[in-house]
Amino acid sequence: DVKVTQSSRYLVKRTGEKVFLECVQDMDHENMFWYRQDPGLGLRLIYFSYDVKMKEKGDIPEGYSVSREKKERFSLILESASTNQTSMYLCASTLPGQGGSGYTFGSGTRLTVV
Amino acid sequence: KQEVTQIPAALSVPEGENLVLNCSFTDSAIYNLQWFRQDPGKGLTSLLLIQSSQREQTSGRLNASLDKSSGRSTLYIAASQPGDSATYLCAVWWIQGAQKLVFGQGTRLTINP
Repeated sequence: DVKVTQSSRYLVKRTGEKVFLECVQDMDHENMFWYRQDPGLGLRLIYFSYDVKMKEKGDIPEGYSVSREKKERFSLILESASTNQTSMYLCASTLPGQGGSGYTFGSGTRLTVV
Repeated sequence: KQEVTQIPAALSVPEGENLVLNCSFTDSAIYNLQWFRQDPGKGLTSLLLIQSSQREQTSGRLNASLDKSSGRSTLYIAASQPGDSATYLCAVWWIQGAQKLVFGQGTRLTINP
């Protein structure tokens, strides 16, 4: 069964901490995405990557960075966590050239910043 | 700006009813439109995908329609069951613009036994 695995389901971090959210996929997908989900706002794209060592800003990249050193792993980094980054974070992957089809999502990481 | 809107934000109906969830989008030049389901605290599962050349897709009790000219899609759920309770999200991939899915805010559906 193909999978996108997010390393933590729940995280609690302190303001100012550097936070790493990890996402690993086993489908050999080139494309990987990080979204955050907030009530009433839906899913908003933070960053995405079409290949190893490649990254593109999404709609709300401020306060975040990413790393893609290997094809299967896409990490989201909160450089200095703030309370307004408390949210559900979702990772997804897909093959290129499929439009919106073939997206596979992880189960999400619920991050609370205190 | 390419946007997707879902109204209402929440819907509660008795078990057994047929119901319709709505999705509207700006810019009719879409590549495809997709409906997802999300259970509380979980990731998203794709339910139906409609290519721009199609008018509808069906899977079991679910039927999704697409009207590009009016910028609308509907998800029809027949004979609703408590297990259908979840958040339903609509997402669009446009032909032009950034190569990414754009999501609506979702409709939280509750089916009451």
